[in-house]
Amino acid sequence: AQKVTQAQTEISVVEKEDVTLDCVYETRDTTYYLFWYKQPPSGELVFLIRRNSFDEQNEISGRYSWNFQKSTSSFNFTITASQVVDSAVYFCALSGGSSNTGKLIFGQGTTLQVKP
Amino acid sequence: ETGVTQSPTHLIKTRGQQVTLRCSSQSGHNTVSWYQQALGQGPQFIFQYYREEENGRGNFPPRFSGLQFPNYSSELNVNALELDDSALYLCASSSTDRFATNEKLFFGSGTQLSVL
Repeated sequence: AQKVTQAQTEISVVEKEDVTLDCVYETRDTTYYLFWYKQPPSGELVFLIRRNSFDEQNEISGRYSWNFQKSTSSFNFTITASQVVDSAVYFCALSGGSSNTGKLIFGQGTTLQVKP
Repeated sequence: ETGVTQSPTHLIKTRGQQVTLRCSSQSGHNTVSWYQQALGQGPQFIFQYYREEENGRGNFPPRFSGLQFPNYSSELNVNALELDDSALYLCASSSTDRFATNEKLFFGSGTQLSVL
């Protein structure tokens, strides 16, 4: 069975601090995709990044970076120099396997509060 | 701004009633997925429609049904409402192949359904 675990329910930091959101996944598929989405108070989920299971190269995009480690089944997300506008709920998600067409498995989410 | 709109934004129903939620996808998107998000939880996959046919279903009973129309609009229908159906219902659209599992989803802001 596929599963995504985000052990951190809530994180609170002060502006300009760095923060890492943890994600651990389980899957038996050899080909799969991992995602991070952000959900601001308005409700819609906003796509941040997609990574396939064959690409373990870490990625940096501005203040965001992602660390994918297949050996530990983890796909962690770091925000450098956090800002108040980063406050939101962040979801890690997994998809893959022909029996799971169209289906994203989401973690429970991590609520990030960035205080001024 | 994802280009996906949902209506209504809020809805109150009583147990046993039926409800129809609506979604307007981005122009050109051939796939729409529906998710249920209970308070404090990650979204759970209900089903996906690809070119007006159901293309994958999550662990939801048959009283959850859907329709997708050629004009990029879609509906989620829930019959015999139960108290546990109270949740945020999210619609997501994408442009993809029928069996793709790596698509980036564009989410609407959701319909908050309360069942009393």
